Amino acid sequence: ETGVTQTPRHLVMGMTNKKSLKCEQHLGHNAMYWYKQSAKKPLELMFVYSLEERVENNSVPSRFSPECPNSSHLFLHLHTLQPEDSALYLCASSQVRGPGYGYTFGSGTRLTVV
Amino acid sequence: GESVGLHLPTLSVQEGDNSIINCAYSNSASDYFIWYKQESGKGPQFIIDIRSNMDKRQGQRVTVLLNKTVKHLSLQIAATQPGDSAVYFCAEKEGGSQGNLIFGKGTKLSVKP
Repeated sequence: ETGVTQTPRHLVMGMTNKKSLKCEQHLGHNAMYWYKQSAKKPLELMFVYSLEERVENNSVPSRFSPECPNSSHLFLHLHTLQPEDSALYLCASSQVRGPGYGYTFGSGTRLTVV
Repeated sequence: GESVGLHLPTLSVQEGDNSIINCAYSNSASDYFIWYKQESGKGPQFIIDIRSNMDKRQGQRVTVLLNKTVKHLSLQIAATQPGDSAVYFCAEKEGGSQGNLIFGKGTKLSVKP
């Protein structure tokens, strides 16, 4: 256990479905991140939340919608995805200002879009 | 956490040998660097870090070397073990506390028993 928990671990969804990925961190961090890891482009930064405000959105399609209700929880809402969106979605957290800047990752959600 | 289908550089070593994994970073303004290890079915895990005011840092069985002149980072693993088999990523942090971590493409380390 890293202190960052992602659910579900695996998800298969159709292109017309709506689903959500959940991330929870128990580390007292104040920044959370969504990364996409695929066969073609490993570890692409998607969204950054710092102090519960979205500070970065790296040109991610609107079919991905993040939500950060508090500093411990992060969601990624999925709607009308495409097969090329199949990937491992990783959540990470960090302390924005602190002695170290390392991110702690969850184990990821393996998403398959059919 | 596996990177199925990704054509990663691969390093194959014999158990007990030392491993050296290399990484070139892109931003001369980066001031903090981290090595991560990703095993199959898991997310990346922190191994060791180094700040730009240092050129070497040692941990348990691991050493990171930083050459700012050529923007090169390396991870040395002593007495490599089968449990070290994984994909290794270097990451650089842009200068300033708000800079994001930028990850390299990764190197797959395979340890032969």
